Amino acid sequence: AQSVTQPDIHITVSEGASLELRCNYSYGATPYLFWYVQSPGQGLQLLLKYFSGDTLVQGIKGFEAEFKRSQSSFNLRKPSVHWSDAAEYFCAAGGRGGGNKLTFGTGTQLKVEL
Amino acid sequence: NAGVMQNPRHLVRRRGQEARLRCSPMKGHSHVYWYRQLPEEGLKFMVYLQKENIIDESGMPKERFSAEFPKEGPSILRIQQVVRGDSAAYFCASSPGTENTEAFFGQGTRLTVV
Repeated sequence: AQSVTQPDIHITVSEGASLELRCNYSYGATPYLFWYVQSPGQGLQLLLKYFSGDTLVQGIKGFEAEFKRSQSSFNLRKPSVHWSDAAEYFCAAGGRGGGNKLTFGTGTQLKVEL
Repeated sequence: NAGVMQNPRHLVRRRGQEARLRCSPMKGHSHVYWYRQLPEEGLKFMVYLQKENIIDESGMPKERFSAEFPKEGPSILRIQQVVRGDSAAYFCASSPGTENTEAFFGQGTRLTVV
């Protein structure tokens, strides 16, 4: 069965520190991969996506993610976190040919300490 | 270009009533997806529609739930005879195609069943 795992439910970092959020997927073939951010009571905003090609993907707000086929991972990184980055982050995967029928991870809640 | 519009943003229904959730996709998008987010969980796929067609409803509960995307007008997610367990945030997403495209999410409708 297709699945996306985000092993960290909560992460706390200090402002200015680096950040890495983990995401592992289990799919029959290499899926499309996405990271979304959700602020409380809001919808989802796309941070970045991987369809094919370069395995290091740049996104908005200074985020990047690296696709590692050998590890079935798509970890999200940011070199220096800002207080406004506090939110919930979701990793999602979609099967090629399946449109945007996405399987989401359970999310990682990021808290930023000033 | 307006984003994906969902209304209402908040909906309160008594047990046994019907809930109708509306989603207007982005201009030029003919693919619509509905997801449900239960408290403290990630988003779960419900249904994928194109104009006048249900493409994939594998995530829809077998009873009480239905969805449509008519030729004219918004997509509608309908929940009949709501129960407390239906309380959740319902998100709609739209995309222009199926391959190498991303989905854009609305702000969601938060349904509370009392």
